[in-house]
Amino acid sequence: EDKVVQSPLSLVVHEGDTVTLNCSYEVTNFRSLLWYKQEKKAPTFLFMLTSSGIEKKSGRLSSILDKKELFSILNITATQTGDSAIYLCAVGWDSGYALNFGKGTSLLVTP
Amino acid sequence: NAGVMQNPRHLVRRRGQEARLRCSPMKGHSHVYWYRQLPEEGLKFMVYLQKENIIDESGMPKERFSAEFPKEGPSILRIQQVVRGDSAAYFCASSPVAVGVEQYFGPGTRLTVT
Repeated sequence: EDKVVQSPLSLVVHEGDTVTLNCSYEVTNFRSLLWYKQEKKAPTFLFMLTSSGIEKKSGRLSSILDKKELFSILNITATQTGDSAIYLCAVGWDSGYALNFGKGTSLLVTP
Repeated sequence: NAGVMQNPRHLVRRRGQEARLRCSPMKGHSHVYWYRQLPEEGLKFMVYLQKENIIDESGMPKERFSAEFPKEGPSILRIQQVVRGDSAAYFCASSPVAVGVEQYFGPGTRLTVT
């Protein structure tokens, strides 16, 4: 069965800290890995990764994929309270239309 | 530039009633996906539709659940004779093409069955 595992499940940091969120997967015929941020509403798209070793960056957020070791990390530098959310990792595969989601990492950034 | 719209945002139904959840995709998107999020669980795929066609319903429970995406109007997820276990957040997503691109999510409908 295809599997997406995120760690840690929850994390509390102070404003200004740097955090690294992990996502490992076992998916047949991998196509892409996506990161979303979920606050109290719609999951918001952050990144889509398809190639190993190429970092995607948006402001203080960055992400990279390792297709050999089957994992991705999401880094957030200089965290702010507005970064508090659940971060979701999802994987798509070649023969399917669905995204296969992990359970998410709940991040709380305290002032 | 409206995103994916879902209504209602909250829905309360008694056991045995029917629930109808609506989803209007982003402008220019003709591919709609429904996901369910149970407490303490990740988002689980239910069904993928294009206009007037169900393409993949592999994640849909075999009974009581149905989905449609008519030529005109929103996509509808219908749950007949709801049970307490149907209580969850139901999210709709859309994309401009079928594969290889990100899916954009709506705010979800939180269904509570009493």
